Amino acid sequence: AQSVTQLDSQVPVFEEAPVELRCNYSSSVSVYLFWYVQYPNQGLQLLLKYLSGSTLVKSINGFEAEFNKSQTSFHLRKPSVHISDTAEYFCAVSGTGANNLFFGTGTRLTVIP
Amino acid sequence: KAGVTQTPRYLIKTRGQQVTLSCSPISGHRSVSWYQQTPGQGLQFLFEYFSETQRNKGNFPGRFSGRQFSNSRSEMNVSTLELGDSALYLCASSWNRGNTEAFFGQGTRLTVV
Repeated sequence: AQSVTQLDSQVPVFEEAPVELRCNYSSSVSVYLFWYVQYPNQGLQLLLKYLSGSTLVKSINGFEAEFNKSQTSFHLRKPSVHISDTAEYFCAVSGTGANNLFFGTGTRLTVIP
Repeated sequence: KAGVTQTPRYLIKTRGQQVTLSCSPISGHRSVSWYQQTPGQGLQFLFEYFSETQRNKGNFPGRFSGRQFSNSRSEMNVSTLELGDSALYLCASSWNRGNTEAFFGQGTRLTVV
């Protein structure tokens, strides 16, 4: 089975400052890794994913995450946050060949003007 | 292309009743998964359906059941509702198994009173 740990439940950050949301996973099999974002009263939107290949993956809105197999991590970073980035972010893992996602407990990112 | 549609968006039920939630996946997607989101337990996998067959099941009691129709639409049913079943129920669709990307609906907010 897989599991995900998001150590930071809340991260406040000033607008235009950099941010890192941490994610560590545990798995005995090969995995796919994902970051999802959830806005209030909404479902989850895929932010970015790592399936294979380059360990650095990027989203269209400036976020990036790096898969580090030796540290079993998939931290999410953005060099300069915007007010609109305020949301809850979930890291998730699935075994390759499976469709069930294991989610972390989420990190609430609050961008302060 | 229409996204994942979940109906109804909001539901209030009384303890002991049963409820059926519906999910229409993205056209062409054949895999549907269900998740329960609560403040205490976070996001937890309920079950996955593919080609009208349950392929995977999370750790939930038998009161939680589901099915998938030939057009890939899915329903989940919860019988003998308990207060603790109050949650946001999210449906996710993927075009195939081996989850390369799951698209989530906006969810059904179930309140049990």
